[in-house]
Amino acid sequence: GDSVTQTEGLVTLTKGLPVMLNCTYQTTYSPFLFWYVQHLNEAPKLLLKSSTDNKRTEHQGFYATLHKSSSSFHLQKSSVQLSDSALYFCALPTGGNNKLTFGQGTVLSVIP
Amino acid sequence: GGIITQTPKFLIGQEGQKLTLKCQQNFNHDTMYWYRQDSGKGLRLIYYSITENDLQKGDLSEGYDASREKKSSFSLTVTSAQKNEMAVFLCASGDRGPEVFFGKGTRLTVV
Repeated sequence: GDSVTQTEGLVTLTKGLPVMLNCTYQTTYSPFLFWYVQHLNEAPKLLLKSSTDNKRTEHQGFYATLHKSSSSFHLQKSSVQLSDSALYFCALPTGGNNKLTFGQGTVLSVIP
Repeated sequence: GGIITQTPKFLIGQEGQKLTLKCQQNFNHDTMYWYRQDSGKGLRLIYYSITENDLQKGDLSEGYDASREKKSSFSLTVTSAQKNEMAVFLCASGDRGPEVFFGKGTRLTVV
């Protein structure tokens, strides 16, 4: 069945360094993917959604590229800030696009 | 913009108790969802509803009931609370597609 895998449970980085959070997926349909971000005690909210194959999408300094050849949609940022500390989820539409299947989530912790 | 309101924010129940969580949205979205969030397990779908009076089971529906009384509201019932259970239940809504908006959640603790 359809699934999403995020391999890192926790990523800890010093402010100003680059980050890449991994997301791979399995689906029999033509995929598009999402990244959601959840700050402490807040609701998850949409950060990014994929475009066409091999095209980069960007929002709020974060970017990701859908690669169908490797079934991946990794989230990147060139210089993390303290305010980027949050839980990040990768998500794949399933069930005829009526619902989202989420990965397990990656906590990004940015330290001074 | 719209908002999703979940009540209560915190819920403490006893083992075996039947507990109801409520969700209201003013986006006028057709589809509403209930997800359960556990540490280290991501978001798992319990129930969803694509229109008023519709119910679809998710991957985690056992032990839960749901009700879509009207377009703007979607409630979830824990039929028998399990001792030491702790989780956050997130309600979400979306407009004929997979992009969804979430509420802040109801935190459940069972003693």
